[in-house]
Parts: sequence; structure tokens; C-alpha cells
Amino acid sequence: ETGVTQTPRHLVMGMTNKKSLKCEQHLGHNAMYWYKQSAKKPLELMFVYNFKEQTENNSVPSRFSPECPNSSHLFLHLHTLQPEDSALYLCASSQESREYEQYFGPGTRLTVT
Amino acid sequence: GESVGLHLPTLSVQEGDNSIINCAYSNSASDYFIWYKQESGKGPQFIIDIRSNMDKRQGQRVTVLLNKTVKHLSLQIAATQPGDSAVYFCAENTPFPTDKLIFGTGTRLQVFP
Repeated sequence: ETGVTQTPRHLVMGMTNKKSLKCEQHLGHNAMYWYKQSAKKPLELMFVYNFKEQTENNSVPSRFSPECPNSSHLFLHLHTLQPEDSALYLCASSQESREYEQYFGPGTRLTVT
Repeated sequence: GESVGLHLPTLSVQEGDNSIINCAYSNSASDYFIWYKQESGKGPQFIIDIRSNMDKRQGQRVTVLLNKTVKHLSLQIAATQPGDSAVYFCAENTPFPTDKLIFGTGTRLQVFP
């Protein structure tokens, strides 16, 4: 499998649930990113990891908790979300964190009920 | 990823015509710009980039023009094809206070036969 993959592709969860989004990149990149894409809004950067270390947290609420066990895998743990958190969550990777030719996964469409 | 928003600006062009998609960026200090394409059900895909020391850059069927005087970026697609139908958005890198990629909301390109 090539590129950046994300699972699940669709997720519906209640506000009291705990779920996790998974991202895997098969490109040998060292940097990985989480973005949020909401209707009528530009793409919002959430977190940046470079060589498994978090280098940026863009003022994201603590109900979103990222985890990067190695350079190929990135998780986003979700708990006690709000309906306004419903969005498309995109994962991306790049060779290094300062390189902006990022490769995106297909995203997880999250609906919080 | 599905559409960025329900009320995106839309450009409708006939197959074979040239398309011009425009973007106004916000920061005069931005030094690097990217155009992304996002097809329905997919994540954004890098198309072409340009640095602020250039006015024009050409790729295969695509040209990016940068006008720093008016902070304007455009993407020209030659001989538009049905496969070009997607949402296109620009991103600018603002170097201060930290390197940060800021995305636009996007323009939907519809190609009709």
C-alpha cells in the first residue's frame, strides 16, 4: 500500500464516546500532521510531529490528544467531543517538518451527535 | 475529502477552455505559496508551488502567477479536462513569528462538456 492511509473513513460518535483516528504513511517521511477541515472554513493545522516529537500544537482543545509512536504512524484520540467538532480530519506527511510539499490522506469524516 | 464548504466560489468552464483560479493572500511577508487540488472523497493534492522571488512558474498544463504588489496569486489550467473538476485552494507560508502554512477556503472548478 502506498501514500498516506487513514482509518476509519467515516465515524459517528456520541459526545461521551472515546474513539481514535489512525494515520499511516508509507513514504518514509519524518514529519506528520493533523488538520481539521470544516465546512466554509480553511484547512486548520492542529498538530505537527517531526521525528516522533510534537513540534506544534495549534491551540487545540485537550479533548483531542495526538500520539505518534513512530514516524510512520499517527493517532488522534478523541474524547468528550462537541457537535462543532464534526469535520473532516486529514492527516498529512512530508519529508521534514519545514517542507510544505505535504502528502495528504483521504481523511476521516467525523460526525459528533 | 468532500467539498470544503457548501458556498464555495464556483468557476464553470467548458472542456478544452483555459481556467483561471484566483487567490488573495493576507501577509505581505509570505515567502512561499502552494496550490492544492482536492477531488471529492480525497485529500488535498499538491499541484504547484512558487517562491516569492519569482513571478511565474509553469508545470504541466498549469501555471502559477504571483503578484506581490497586490498580494494576488492565480492558477491557470490550460485545456481544462473533466478530471480537473475539484476544489482548488492556495496556501501561503508566513515566516514570522514562526513558519506557518495558512490555507485559503478554496474555489470549486466545474468542467462541463
